[in-house]
Amino acid sequence: GQNIDQPTEMTATEGAIVQINCTYQTSGFNGLFWYQQHAGEAPTFLSYNVLDGLEEKGRFSSFLSRSKGYSYLLLKELQMKDSASYLCAVRGRDSSYKLIFGSGTRLLVRP
Amino acid sequence: DAGVIQSPRHEVTEMGQEVTLRCKPISGHDYLFWYRQTMMRGLELLIYFNNNVPIDDSGMPEDRFSAKMPNASFSTLKIQPSEPRDSAVYFCASSLTLAGGPNNEQFFGPGTRLTVL
Repeated sequence: GQNIDQPTEMTATEGAIVQINCTYQTSGFNGLFWYQQHAGEAPTFLSYNVLDGLEEKGRFSSFLSRSKGYSYLLLKELQMKDSASYLCAVRGRDSSYKLIFGSGTRLLVRP
Repeated sequence: DAGVIQSPRHEVTEMGQEVTLRCKPISGHDYLFWYRQTMMRGLELLIYFNNNVPIDDSGMPEDRFSAKMPNASFSTLKIQPSEPRDSAVYFCASSLTLAGGPNNEQFFGPGTRLTVL
């Protein structure tokens, strides 16, 4: 089967750093995505990892360890507008290559 | 590009009625996806198309749901008859490719919020 786990909620302070973890068990692996979703809006793409290591994009970084089935999204210099849900999604290597989404982590940034 | 376009943005209907959701993908994208999002089940893939051909419809809940893509710039998701448990936000997304590397991310439309009374 396929399973993706993320914490349900996290709270952090403006200006701080927060790490959102994602663990997965899938039949094969062909990439991991992070999406941001503000309340009432569509998910928007943040990052993609297919090889082990850290990918950095401005204030956001994403890390992947394929052997551990583990990823994290690191948000630096938190801003109020970063309050949103963060969705981890994995693409398996089955015949259809479809994305399986985690339930998402709701991040609340406080002043 | 205007991004993925969906209509209607909101739909309220009564149980038993037919509902049709519409999507226009980003021009040039070969893949189109239909998702459903609820608080209980999160974001679930219903079906996806490659070059207008359905590839995986294993997520379609039951025979009441059907999806078509008659051409590269238009797709529909139909529910007939609708039931209250179909109430959800339905997203359409498109991507250039499914392969690894750049350009494989999915771009989501604004969604259709469906309420079945």
